[in-house]
Amino acid sequence: DGGITQSPKYLFRKEGQNVTLSCEQNLNHDAMYWYRQDPGQGLRLIYYSQIVNDFQKGDIAEGYSVSREKKESFPLTVTSAQKNPTAFYLCASSEIQGSNQPQHFGDGTRLSIL
Amino acid sequence: DQQVKQNSPSLSVQEGRISILNCDYTNSMFDYFLWYKKYPAEGPTFLISISSIKDKNEDGRFTVFLNKSAKHLSLHIVPSQPGDSAVYFCAATPLYNFNKFYFGSGTKLNVKP
Repeated sequence: DGGITQSPKYLFRKEGQNVTLSCEQNLNHDAMYWYRQDPGQGLRLIYYSQIVNDFQKGDIAEGYSVSREKKESFPLTVTSAQKNPTAFYLCASSEIQGSNQPQHFGDGTRLSIL
Repeated sequence: DQQVKQNSPSLSVQEGRISILNCDYTNSMFDYFLWYKKYPAEGPTFLISISSIKDKNEDGRFTVFLNKSAKHLSLHIVPSQPGDSAVYFCAATPLYNFNKFYFGSGTKLNVKP
């Protein structure tokens, strides 16, 4: 059945290390998103992509990078430049903009610093 | 600068009663509003939405009300059930960019049996 798969569920990063969070969707959605959730805060947008090979920065893109080589996949790399990476990361997808469509979310990846 | 605010971090309601979750926003360009429900260690799931051309949308036990002049929306759950216990997020998107969703910080609802 269709959905969004995020992996791994838990991830640990050492100081100075880059880590990549995976997000795959089989909903045939054009748009994909990455959010970060911290305790007591709403979801904050990191990056989003409306089409393959194109993506835009969200509100907190510093220290993160993404790629969109395939429609189904939107991996997020947390670089060593992100000084406070410990958070819950959520990937989402939706149908094309302009259609007032809700986003569908994966189950998230919890990233912690060793 | 949070454009969508949920000022009540938690709410406790007795089973069978009404739950009312509130959300305020500051951006008058917001055009589409949504409520999501989230269980621990899972992603949010879409619950109900409303366009700015309406002031009410109903889906079973869930009703969303929109008051554009007050920049306020609310989610009513009637009757509340223990399985409704979760964190509820409201979200909004602006006319000029449907791909940007702005989320509130969530309200944790506890429905007591």
